[in-house]
Amino acid sequence: GAVVSQHPSRVICKSGTSVKIECRSLDFQATTMFWYRQFPKQSLMLMATSNEGSKATYEQGVEKDKFLINHASLTLSTLTVTSAHPEDSSFYICSARWISGSSKNIQYFGAGTRLSVL
Amino acid sequence: RKEVEQDPGPFNVPEGATVAFNCTYSNSASQSFFWYRQDCRKEPKLLMSVYSSGNEDGRFTAQLNRASQYISLLIRDSKLSDSATYLCVGNNFNKFYFGSGTKLNVKP
Repeated sequence: GAVVSQHPSRVICKSGTSVKIECRSLDFQATTMFWYRQFPKQSLMLMATSNEGSKATYEQGVEKDKFLINHASLTLSTLTVTSAHPEDSSFYICSARWISGSSKNIQYFGAGTRLSVL
Repeated sequence: RKEVEQDPGPFNVPEGATVAFNCTYSNSASQSFFWYRQDCRKEPKLLMSVYSSGNEDGRFTAQLNRASQYISLLIRDSKLSDSATYLCVGNNFNKFYFGSGTKLNVKP
């Protein structure tokens, strides 16, 4: 079963509105979650690393005021796309980092959110 | 140069064939590696983790060559359902580096 839940799976909104996407780790606590964006037929692009209790780390070229990230608990990170425009239409995927007892760490992905801005 | 590089393919193989993908990485400090598969318009799903020299799971075998800095994925007896994009991922502490993926098409 899914270990990371992402909601909503699909959003269609008007230009100028804000969209909030939630990412939850279901069976484990995740101090670190990641937000990716993927355009059609392209690879995953890391947008930001979300750290519980501290500010997110954004990748170069990603506007932090445009893509607000909040990681308020060990099981929940949210991404808010503010004032969305058609060029923000994409597939947004979150992942949560799971660390095993032997310090091995694996990323588990949410099912993704397909955002269409009209 | 990208941290992780893969041949984008596509690899077109008949059912039952054996196919292998390679992935090279540039950061010798990378600690662990993973193969994910991603179906069209879906999220990546973990296929295998590679921490030491290699790992085998059924028809899938992953090998790691630290001296040459590459990871391979071997799929035996290909099924139609193996058609997907295979992502190679390297991990160095809190950073995960994704390859752009190798597309596999298994044909009847």
